[in-house]
Amino acid sequence: NAGVTQTPKFQVLKTGQSMTLQCAQDMNHEYMSWYRQDPGMGLRLIHYSVGAGITDQGEVPNGYNVSRSTTEDFPLRLLSAAPSQTSVYFCASSYSRVRRGYGYTFGSGTRLTVV
Amino acid sequence: AQKVTQAQTEISVVEKEDVTLDCVYETRDTTYYLFWYKQPPSGELVFLIRRNSFDEQNEISGRYSWNFQKSTSSFNFTITASQVVDSAVYFCALSEALVDSNYQLIWGAGTKLIIKP
Repeated sequence: NAGVTQTPKFQVLKTGQSMTLQCAQDMNHEYMSWYRQDPGMGLRLIHYSVGAGITDQGEVPNGYNVSRSTTEDFPLRLLSAAPSQTSVYFCASSYSRVRRGYGYTFGSGTRLTVV
Repeated sequence: AQKVTQAQTEISVVEKEDVTLDCVYETRDTTYYLFWYKQPPSGELVFLIRRNSFDEQNEISGRYSWNFQKSTSSFNFTITASQVVDSAVYFCALSEALVDSNYQLIWGAGTKLIIKP
C-alpha cells in the first residue's frame, strides 16, 4: 500500500526551465492537492482537484499548471521556473472533501531549488 | 477571513517535561474541522487528529491530548512526559469552505518543538 508517491525528492532547476512534479495515489481518493511549504508560512495551497477532469486554483496558483486525467495522478507543472518557486512541495490526497472530516495523506515532499 | 494562529514559533523543553502547543482559529462557519499534523525532521507530514466543531470533548491518545474550546476558539495540543522523538514541527489546520462548496485546509505557520535530552 504505497499511499501518496511523489517524485522526484530533490530537484535543482535553472531560472526559466520547466519541469513536472509527479504525484500518484493508490487509495482511490477523489480529492488531491498541491501545497508549497516556505519557512514561517505553513502550507499554502497551489491547486486542487476534486476528481478526474476537475481542477481549480488555490491560494498561490501563479506559475503552476495542473491536470487530472485519472483518479490516481495529479502532476504539477512549473512553466518557467523562478527563484521565488524555491520551496518544498507536497502533494496530498483525501478520500473526500475535508468537510466530512477526512484527514489528508501527504506525499514525502519534493525539495525544489531554482537558481 | 478564516485563519489559524500558532503564536509559538519555537518551544524548547527538557525531556519528560509536559508541553502545550497553542492553536487559535477564526472562522464564520458553524460546521468546521480542526486538525493537527506533525512534521518530524525527516520532512513528512503525519496526521495526528481531527476534531469537528460539534464535539468539544477532550481527547487523549497515549501521551498526547487535545483541548478544544469553542468559547475561546482554541484547539491546544499537550504532550505529557515529552520525549526526544517528539521533536518536530507541529501544524494546526482549519477546514475552510471554498466558493464551489469544496473545502480546503488553512494552515497555521507551525510550532517547532525541541525536546532536549
